[in-house]
Amino acid sequence: ETGVTQTPRHLVMGMTNKKSLKCEQHLGHNAMYWYKQSAKKPLELMFVYNFKEQTENNSVPSRFSPECPNSSHLFLHLHTLQPEDSALYLCASSQDGGAPTDTQYFGPGTRLTVL
Amino acid sequence: GQQLNQSPQSMFIQEGEDVSMNCTSSSIFNTWLWYKQDPGEGPVLLIALYKAGELTSNGRLTAQFGITRKDSFLNISASIPSDVGIYFCAGHPNTGNQFYFGTGTSLTVIP
Repeated sequence: ETGVTQTPRHLVMGMTNKKSLKCEQHLGHNAMYWYKQSAKKPLELMFVYNFKEQTENNSVPSRFSPECPNSSHLFLHLHTLQPEDSALYLCASSQDGGAPTDTQYFGPGTRLTVL
Repeated sequence: GQQLNQSPQSMFIQEGEDVSMNCTSSSIFNTWLWYKQDPGEGPVLLIALYKAGELTSNGRLTAQFGITRKDSFLNISASIPSDVGIYFCAGHPNTGNQFYFGTGTSLTVIP
């Protein structure tokens, strides 16, 4: 199994839909992250989970709802999104979360389009 | 939040040429990372740097942690077509618990 997997790879949804993104890591890490990547902008950290506890929420709108049932799985539940939410959503994991020496490994991303 | 300035924004080079790019911050960083992202994929870690002045190589790639701890450089020697992609720097500052990312350098290698 590759290190960090994400499904689906592509998602098109209407503004009234509810959908979920899934991330799974096979690296034995304890921290998982959601990032948003928009064109011409730096990666934006959305949420951090460390040992299944949310340790960071970077002022993300409530239409994005994360869930971390265990250290290997991370979900991002989406509802009533806006067209400006269209972006590549990247999941990452790291060994311990937050330390300067704690390198993050990324999944391939979910390309989300909101119509 | 922290701002990382990455330059150049894009580069078009001939196959076989060497490439240099850099990343600067307004504050001191403890860690610098360099990632490469291919179209439709997530970033892949290339090199990690943890000490000021550190010079680390990974094949044809060499990265340096600047002495001031406010910058980092990535060099690619003898570029090949598969080097095409977007290169991101990421840094971890003295305070806080998150990494910050640059806007990327888009590299095109012309065969």
